[in-house]
Amino acid sequence: DAGVTQSPTHLIKTRGQQVTLRCSPKSGHDTVSWYQQALGQGPQFIFQYYEEEERQRGNFPDRFSGHQFPNYSSELNVNALLLGDSALYLCASSFMGDPKNIQYFGAGTRLSVL
Amino acid sequence: AQSVSQHNHHVILSEAASLELGCNYSYGGTVNLFWYVQYPGQHLQLLLKYFSGDPLVKGIKGFEAEFIKSKFSFNLRKPSVQWSDTAEYFCAVNAKSSNTGKLIFGQGTTLQVKP
Repeated sequence: DAGVTQSPTHLIKTRGQQVTLRCSPKSGHDTVSWYQQALGQGPQFIFQYYEEEERQRGNFPDRFSGHQFPNYSSELNVNALLLGDSALYLCASSFMGDPKNIQYFGAGTRLSVL
Repeated sequence: AQSVSQHNHHVILSEAASLELGCNYSYGGTVNLFWYVQYPGQHLQLLLKYFSGDPLVKGIKGFEAEFIKSKFSFNLRKPSVQWSDTAEYFCAVNAKSSNTGKLIFGQGTTLQVKP
């Protein structure tokens, strides 16, 4: 039973560039949430996708956008990268039919912006 | 706005010592409560959760947590820690009224267990 998988593991970009991160949810899950974890901090909610639509968004600028595909996988795109975007980006998947909405996390993508 | 506060940022214990990590949350409605653990080099894993019922919940690896509603607290405990418990621990909440299950995390506590 595949867990949540994210790619790439690590990424180095320069300021102003754009980046795309990918996530495949756990088997049987249909909902993907993205979180940003800065060094020494807890994860912060970016947004959630279900049925290929953004359902809720945290306090992140429009430079952060996403997409969900028919197979439930998801992408996180960040445009015009800033140094402050350097962080671990976590994907979490869940099943919308689960009333307890338990989220399972991937290992994350470590993004470094130089 | 919801928030979660973890009082201990870095805890160092010897093996067999008892552990208690504090977690307080701020939210006006009813919440679900979680503790996640992140072992070195691994992904966040769910340690235990509270949704309703008995406020004392047991999780994996001998961990337990107690929900005290009047104190808005959900402290994590373990009677005797092992070297393998060295990890980062995160307390998190979500609102029962939320249809997305958006999690609000504390900033984490790094636990170092000396052999």
